[in-house]
Amino acid sequence: AQTVTQSQPEMSVQEAETVTLSCTYDTSESDYYLFWYKQPPSRQMILVIRQEAYKQQNATENRFSVNFQKAAKSFSLKISDSQLGDAAMYFCAYSPNSKWGGSNYKLTFGKGTLLTVNP
Amino acid sequence: DTGVSQDPRHKITKRGQNVTFRCDPISEHNRLYWYRQTLGQGPEFLTYFQNEAQLEKSRLLSDRFSAERPKGSFSTLEIQRTEQGDSAMYLCASSLEVSGQPQHFGDGTRLSIL
Repeated sequence: AQTVTQSQPEMSVQEAETVTLSCTYDTSESDYYLFWYKQPPSRQMILVIRQEAYKQQNATENRFSVNFQKAAKSFSLKISDSQLGDAAMYFCAYSPNSKWGGSNYKLTFGKGTLLTVNP
Repeated sequence: DTGVSQDPRHKITKRGQNVTFRCDPISEHNRLYWYRQTLGQGPEFLTYFQNEAQLEKSRLLSDRFSAERPKGSFSTLEIQRTEQGDSAMYLCASSLEVSGQPQHFGDGTRLSIL
């Protein structure tokens, strides 16, 4: 079974600074997707960034980027120029990637990291 | 794209009562997922539908839980004879049937059992 581990229950960062959230995962699959989701206090889960395991290039989305280390099964999220609106619970998630139709692309989540942004 | 909507936002009920939640996915999404999230934990998969067919159920989904998606549109999740341990946030998500496509989540229904 796949597992996702986020070892930092809480992190804090000063506004405009950079913070890195850690995530490790365990899977026997070679092809899969990894995601970072953000869950603000309003509770709606929002996709931050997505990485396909077969792509060596690390994904970036504006101020958000990942460091994907496939051999180490590590997938960290870097937030640059942190803003007050970045404060939220961040979840790392894994989904299998199947070439055949009908597969369950369910997400397996970590326990989350609560990010506080200090003004 | 009006997003995924869930109703109600909050439900408070007494132990032993039945409750039903509704989820309206994004209209063009044929995949619909239910997750449960307890305090301090990430969401856990419960079940998913492709169109109207329920294709997988987690072991977390006891026989007191039933989910339906008639006509492949909205979905309902019913819990019969609620127990204290059912208190959680129930999240619905929808997506296209393509691997790697992001799941879009609703605001969730928070269930509190008295």
